[in-house]
Amino acid sequence: QVLLQESGPGLVKPSGTLSLTCAVSGGSISSANWWTWVRQPPGKGLEWIGEIYHSGSTSYNPSLKSRVTISLDKSKNQFSLRLTSVTAADTAVYYCARVGVAAANDYWGQGILVTVSS
Amino acid sequence: QSVLTQPPSVSGAPGQRVTISCTGSSSNIGAGYDVHWYQQLPGTAPKLLIYGNSNRPSGVPDRFSGSKSGTSASLAITGLQAEDEADYYCQAYDSRLSGSAFGGGTKLTVL
Repeated sequence: QVLLQESGPGLVKPSGTLSLTCAVSGGSISSANWWTWVRQPPGKGLEWIGEIYHSGSTSYNPSLKSRVTISLDKSKNQFSLRLTSVTAADTAVYYCARVGVAAANDYWGQGILVTVSS
Repeated sequence: QSVLTQPPSVSGAPGQRVTISCTGSSSNIGAGYDVHWYQQLPGTAPKLLIYGNSNRPSGVPDRFSGSKSGTSASLAITGLQAEDEADYYCQAYDSRLSGSAFGGGTKLTVL
């Protein structure tokens, strides 16, 4: 059973940088999988942010690409999300997940609410 | 506006059958990319319900089934139960995004 756990600040100031980490247990971040971030604004649907392969290759949502960086830390078995120049529109629950069988997100973290406010 | 289109809401009485549609285009479902379905209960993370168009992960009841045809996909739920009341999302790879796309979500109400 693969478990994922998001962590990071729950409050970020406008124009600041949102930084989150996803700790993976029960599986290796070095396995042949993509690892992804998805967000959900309050009361709205899911939005794909981007993903990273175990080799370090990345793919980002074009609407966020200029502001997003996803990275791996194999020594800690975790991956991270960095989103710069945030605004209130970036307020959301952020989920990390593993991209597994048939490229579906088979394991999800519980999510973390990040609010952008001064 | 989502790349994949779902009805905002559907409803049904206990025991009935409901379907949720997911309409895409030639850059996603129509291009042959797999469709996946997720169930999101209130206040919880999404849970994988159907992968690869029609496959159920271990533990998902066979009341849930998925299908795909052309540029659309569908999720069917038979023998509706109160515990099925949730939001449902479809997902597929989109070549124009060069990444994953989600539908806008469908809220299922069990009457």
